[in-house]
Amino acid sequence: DAKTTQPPSMDCAEGRAANLPCNHSTISGNEYVYWYRQIHSQGPQYIIHGLKNNETNEMASLIITEDRKSSTLILPHATLRDTAVYYCIALDNYGQNFVFGPGTRLSVLP
Amino acid sequence: SQTIHQWPATLVQPVGSPLSLECTVEGTSNPNLYWYRQAAGRGLQLLFYSVGIGQISSEVPQNLSASRPQDRQFILSSKKLLLSDSGFYLCAWSSGGGNEKLFFGSGTQLSVL
Repeated sequence: DAKTTQPPSMDCAEGRAANLPCNHSTISGNEYVYWYRQIHSQGPQYIIHGLKNNETNEMASLIITEDRKSSTLILPHATLRDTAVYYCIALDNYGQNFVFGPGTRLSVLP
Repeated sequence: SQTIHQWPATLVQPVGSPLSLECTVEGTSNPNLYWYRQAAGRGLQLLFYSVGIGQISSEVPQNLSASRPQDRQFILSSKKLLLSDSGFYLCAWSSGGGNEKLFFGSGTQLSVL
């Protein structure tokens, strides 16, 4: 499974869009990009995933570059409750080995 | 709907004592099951995963073992706990059918003293 790299931390003003980048330059054609987040002392929560098309759900949008070597998770109107560690994972369609990297610690500031 | 149960929520154990953490999943069959550990202020470390009864893959050699005696039951054990075993233990499941999501339990905070 492809390795992903993310910035260790980011700040975002409340009400503004939070754009969290992820690099996965070694991703293969059948690997999906998954995003999870973990609020302190809780289990990680699934946010969104995609293969090559951009995806949107009630929580966020996922923008994947055409070459699929990087992606951006967008929280359109960040709130204080979005403060969390965000993890990006690349995994193939039948992957079993969900390995989480250190993620990005997003702080939403009032 | 599917639910995952993990207990206990907190546990304080002396060094050298045994450990048994249990996780059960309801509302699905033949799930993939996972055990993760998170040390204080650190990321998630995958310890074990299982794709079926009796099938355990270990990601990190250590003082722990896992077993899957039933389809929807996953147990994390240790014969003798070390101080370094302290951490937040999370059980998770996925459907295993492809294009899948991972769902986590509420976790067990283990303190080894």
